[in-house]
Amino acid sequence: KQEVTQIPAALSVPEGENLVLNCSFTDSAIYNLQWFRQDPGKGLTSLLLIQSSQREQTSGRLNASLDKSSGRSTLYIAASQPGDSATYLCAVRDRGSTLGRLYFGRGTQLTVWP
Amino acid sequence: ETGVTQTPRHLVMGMTNKKSLKCEQHLGHNAMYWYKQSAKKPLELMFVYSLEERVENNSVPSRFSPECPNSSHLFLHLHTLQPEDSALYLCASSQAHARTSGSLTDTQYFGPGTRLTVL
Repeated sequence: KQEVTQIPAALSVPEGENLVLNCSFTDSAIYNLQWFRQDPGKGLTSLLLIQSSQREQTSGRLNASLDKSSGRSTLYIAASQPGDSATYLCAVRDRGSTLGRLYFGRGTQLTVWP
Repeated sequence: ETGVTQTPRHLVMGMTNKKSLKCEQHLGHNAMYWYKQSAKKPLELMFVYSLEERVENNSVPSRFSPECPNSSHLFLHLHTLQPEDSALYLCASSQAHARTSGSLTDTQYFGPGTRLTVL
């Protein structure tokens, strides 16, 4: 069974810092990996999706990389802002699972203070 | 706004009650999902409907009963729940290309969730 781990569990930084959130998964046979953001009281918002054949994806200040062979992904947030405060979830869709199953990590709770 | 709505947003129920959660997607998708998010575990998939057919039941107790009357609506019927069922229940939708394995690889769009408390 696929297991997804995210480190750190929580992170508190001042505004302006560049951040790295880590995600690791146990089975490298995946279709894709996705990073989500979850705000309190709200659902998940997809940030970036990396197909298994890709190495990275970028959207604005966010950059996600994927090293499938080592089972790792990182989410890089440049010039962090208080509005970035949220929980960031990593999820993989593995080839061994039944249709469409995403395996999620527990998330990294990020707080960016002014 | 994600295009996926859920009602109610909050629900408190006793163990003998029967209630239903509703999800509606306005994205033209044809696959819908129920997830459970509790404090002690990662987000867990419960059910998947693809092209209005249930294609996944992730060993969920029978006190949870899903219903998908059409591709835009998904329900989760609840009865005789336990306090440990208290959690955030999230609905999601995506585009399915077929019922075959690997066909549900597109991005999933999530609703805001229903916060359920079982007393």
